[in-house]
Amino acid sequence: DAGITQSPRYKITETGRQVTLMCHQTWSHSYMFWYRQDLGHGLRLIYYSAAADITDKGEVPDGYVVSRSKTENFPLTLESATRSQTSVYFCASSEVEDTQYFGPGTRLTVL
Amino acid sequence: GENVEQHPSTLSVQEGDSAVIKCTYSDSASNYFPWYKQELGKRPQLIIDIRSNVGEKKDQRIAVTLNKTAKHFSLHITETQPEDSAVYFCAASRWGSARQLTFGSGTQLTVLP
Repeated sequence: DAGITQSPRYKITETGRQVTLMCHQTWSHSYMFWYRQDLGHGLRLIYYSAAADITDKGEVPDGYVVSRSKTENFPLTLESATRSQTSVYFCASSEVEDTQYFGPGTRLTVL
Repeated sequence: GENVEQHPSTLSVQEGDSAVIKCTYSDSASNYFPWYKQELGKRPQLIIDIRSNVGEKKDQRIAVTLNKTAKHFSLHITETQPEDSAVYFCAASRWGSARQLTFGSGTQLTVLP
């Protein structure tokens, strides 16, 4: 589990501000994922990446931007934060056709 | 897209009893079904998974069964212990689809001592 980290762990921001959540993995996994977790909705996929410079939308991509210039990093940016984006964000990684391992999560509050 | 429904949303059992959590899925092409356990304030962690070429898989006190015809799968925990108390999530995906997991909404399991 120590192979995948997220920062910051907690973040409070205001509506309209840009926020970037970081995800770093040391396993050299090909795939990386961003999920948000809200009560009553379980985990919902925001974006995923199959390799560096290859990203694709998940179930709830609106309002989010991702990039992946290096295999080990997969930042998630909220370009103009809204209150509905208050959530716990989990990053995950996996090797091809293998188990997804989750990071510790970032709790984001948008005021 | 895939839709996964999970029941019950809360479950309380006495220590030593068994617990069963059920999930149904909509996409008949789904063929990979993991279960994750999430303790309060922690990350989800895989506890068991099953692929569609088998009907049942066991790992000590945990077992998962799959009925492809009915499109449902279940998690069985026997001899429950207080440390089994957590939120459990089922998920489904197609093997070979970048493992895009669709999760159920979770079951809060409480094991009463």
